[in-house]
Amino acid sequence: DAGITQSPRHKVTETGTPVTLRCHQTENHRYMYWYRQDPGHGLRLIHYSYGVKDTDKGEVSDGYSVSRSKTEDFLLTLESATSSQTSVYFCAISLPGTRGQETQYFGPGTRLLVL
Amino acid sequence: GQSLEQPSEVTAVEGAIVQINCTYQTSGFYGLSWYQQHDGGAPTFLSYNALDGLEETGRFSSFLSRSDSYGYLLLQELQMKDSASYFCAVRANFNKFYFGSGTKLNVKP
Repeated sequence: DAGITQSPRHKVTETGTPVTLRCHQTENHRYMYWYRQDPGHGLRLIHYSYGVKDTDKGEVSDGYSVSRSKTEDFLLTLESATSSQTSVYFCAISLPGTRGQETQYFGPGTRLLVL
Repeated sequence: GQSLEQPSEVTAVEGAIVQINCTYQTSGFYGLSWYQQHDGGAPTFLSYNALDGLEETGRFSSFLSRSDSYGYLLLQELQMKDSASYFCAVRANFNKFYFGSGTKLNVKP
C-alpha cells in the first residue's frame, strides 16, 4: 500500500472555517499529490509536490493551499471552506518503474462535508 | 489544457471480453495509465503504456497509439469482481497526472 495514510478520514465542517487535511507517507517518496473526486468528474489534481518546499498547482487549485515542510507530510488546507469543496480527497505518491513507467499509489481518502 | 474522454458506462456478462476506450488531448505527453476503483475504495493501478503497442498483465491488457492520442483497456474472462470504475490517466508535463471521468463497468452473471 506504499505506506500512505490520510487524516482525518471523515470530517464535517461549516462554511467559512479553515480545514487542513494531512497525508503521511513512510517511504521517502519524492512526489506527492492531492486530488479531489466528485461524481462525474473522476479525479482532479489540486496540487502536487516534487520535493520539500517544492509544490505546483494542478487543474483545480483555487481555494486550496499546500505545504510540505518534510518529506513524509503533505498538507492540504482549505483557507475558508465552501460547500463546493464537499468532496472525497485522495492523496497519492508516484513511483518510477521499468520502461519509463510511473505508478501512482493512493491513500484511503478523506470524506469532507462542508455545511 | 488536458482532456480525456472515455465512455461513462459499459455492461458485459461474466466470462466475456470488454474494451474500454480512452482518447486524450494533452501537451507534454509521457504515458497513459489505467486505474480500477471499487465503490468506496481508492483507485488502484492496473497498467501503464509509455510506448505504442500492447501491454499484457494477466487478464488485463492495455494498448496505446500515441499518433492517434488513443488507448484502451481490455479485460478478458470477466469476473463479477471486475465490476468497478476504470479510469484512464495521462502523465504529462513530467510528473503531473490527469484523469478521465471514469467508466463504470457492470458485469452481469
